[in-house]
Order: sequence, then C-alpha cells, then structure tokens
Amino acid sequence: DAGVIQSPRHEVTEMGQEVTLRCKPISGHNSLFWYRQTMMRGLELLIYFNNNVPIDDSGMPEDRFSAKMPNASFSTLKIQPSEPRDSAVYFCASSLVPLAGSYNEQFFGPGTRLTVL
Amino acid sequence: AQKVTQAQTEISVVEKEDVTLDCVYETRDTTYYLFWYKQPPSGELVFLIRRNSFDEQNEISGRYSWNFQKSTSSFNFTITASQVVDSAVYFCALHNTNAGKSTFGDGTTLTVKP
Repeated sequence: DAGVIQSPRHEVTEMGQEVTLRCKPISGHNSLFWYRQTMMRGLELLIYFNNNVPIDDSGMPEDRFSAKMPNASFSTLKIQPSEPRDSAVYFCASSLVPLAGSYNEQFFGPGTRLTVL
Repeated sequence: AQKVTQAQTEISVVEKEDVTLDCVYETRDTTYYLFWYKQPPSGELVFLIRRNSFDEQNEISGRYSWNFQKSTSSFNFTITASQVVDSAVYFCALHNTNAGKSTFGDGTTLTVKP
C-alpha cells in the first residue's frame, strides 16, 4: 500500500495567492483528517471527514480556509487568500472506522510544508 | 471540552537509560481512545499504540510499555533501555468517538545521547 499521499510536499507562495493542498487517503479508509502543525500552536485538527462528509470543521481557522472531499480517494484543503501566518506543515491522515463508535489509528501522510511570503 | 497535557516539553537521557513520558487527559466522555504517536526528525507521524477507555490493561511491545490509569486520567509511555533512534517528538492524543474530535498534546521532545 502506498500510504497516504500528499502533494505538493513543499509550497512557497506570496501573500494573497490561492493555495491548494491535495491528499489521497489509503484505499478503503473511510475517515480523513486535515491537521496543521506549527511551533507556536502544535498539532491542530482542522477538519474531519467521514464517508466523504465533513463531520467537524470547528478547527478551520477562518473563512479563508476550505476543504472538500469529492470522493473517497481525494481531498483538498484550500487557502484563499493566503497570509504569512498560514505558514505551517499541513498533514493529511486517514483511518478506517469499521463500526460506529469504534476508532482505529490514523495513518499520516508526509505533510506539505507551506511557506507564505 | 477535552484536553491533553504533556507536561514534559523536553527530556534528555543517555543511551540505555529508561525514560517515561507523561500524558494526562481531560474529557467528559465515558468512551474514548488514547494514542501515542512518534514524530522523528524526518517529520512523519507514526502510530505507536491505541487504547480504548474500557481497557486499562498495560501493554508491552519490545522496549515500549504503556501504563493507562483511568483513576488519574493518565496514559504514560515508558521506553526501556533507550536508543539514539528513539530521539523524536512523542505526541499523546485523545479521540472522542461521539464527535470524532482528535486532540493532541503539545508533544515531548526526547533526545537520547550516545
């Protein structure tokens, strides 16, 4: 299995530009998570999808952030317009939740290091 | 609200020493899962262990062991005979099954010196 795939691995952009991060979860997994990691704030959950439906987006910092999961094998996290304070490593993770109320470990992608100048 | 506290920001030990990483959590839910993840210098996050709230059995896996005590809301992680390759940031996490939320602690940076 290829694991969780994220692209790009590194992104450098200028303030005000739109940024799109991509994630392909592990085949067969039905839950997908987007996290942001910074030195100041640590690891923060941004949004969580289950069966392609957003379950909890309370971690999305502001309206400039949006996430979609059009199908079970693809998700995007978009920032528009980007700001320097958005600079961070963004992780995507997937998991298999076989039964309601159960939970398995999350498998993380390698992350996308975003730098907004 | 739920919270995970890893009070030790940084720990430094010499190879072959035993080391315990502390994790204390807060939640109002009766059903939840606890996790430990490792983040080596390369940056990826690697799953180490999962525990659900109804299983207080301690677990040992090679040099790793975990002590889950519901009475003190703690889920501590011990590395026996540490090795340089154990150097990493270790995160404790709490998952709320009802809301699907995952809350991570701030992490403990472990440095094992040769």
